[in-house]
Amino acid sequence: DTGVSQNPRHKITKRGQNVTFRCDPISEHNRLYWYRQTLGQGPEFLTYFQNEAQLEKSRLLSDRFSAERPKGSFSTLEIQRTEQGDSAMYLCASSTTRDSKNNYGYTFGSGTRLTVV
Amino acid sequence: AQKITQTQPGMFVQEKEAVTLDCTYDTSDPSYGLFWYKQPSSGEMIFLIYQGSYDQQNATEGRYSLNFQKARKSANLVISASQLGDSAMYFCAMTLSRGDTGRRALTFGSGTRLQVQP
Repeated sequence: DTGVSQNPRHKITKRGQNVTFRCDPISEHNRLYWYRQTLGQGPEFLTYFQNEAQLEKSRLLSDRFSAERPKGSFSTLEIQRTEQGDSAMYLCASSTTRDSKNNYGYTFGSGTRLTVV
Repeated sequence: AQKITQTQPGMFVQEKEAVTLDCTYDTSDPSYGLFWYKQPSSGEMIFLIYQGSYDQQNATEGRYSLNFQKARKSANLVISASQLGDSAMYFCAMTLSRGDTGRRALTFGSGTRLQVQP
């Protein structure tokens, strides 16, 4: 297993366009998390899934944001009608519901950096 | 709700010296986990060390140790024998444990930028 994979690594889009990011978690991990990180700040929680069920959404996740994990494997995060304030790094992480010897449960991807111009 | 506070926006340390990065947390839940992550300029979050709220001893992982003071709600990271490659952002984070349902999402602090000088 090569870890958590996120695509694309970078995305530049014009204001008002829709964008979609993909996250492929570690295969045996049933939990998947999305975070947003703006420059100079720590990651902020957006939402998480257990298998295909979306169990929690942050208040940060406005109506323009939607996340799916249709078969409990990969996940997509879509932002509609992007705004300049959406420019950030979007990080994905996965974990199991059992304690793990490695990373104590969380493995992060390298993120997708979104720039809205 | 839980909260993590990192009061040092930036720190400098000489190569081969030790450095302490501060972290305080706030939660009323008795069962929680504390983490430290390193984030180099590439963006990946690299796990460094973990401390459970019921762990009796301070966690250690190679050159990293966590100074856990439960009564003060602090979880400072100590890096011994700093190396140039340690220059990065460091984040303290916590999660609440929920028994058989496992951990919830992480709450992060604002981070400390460490620069190791030769």
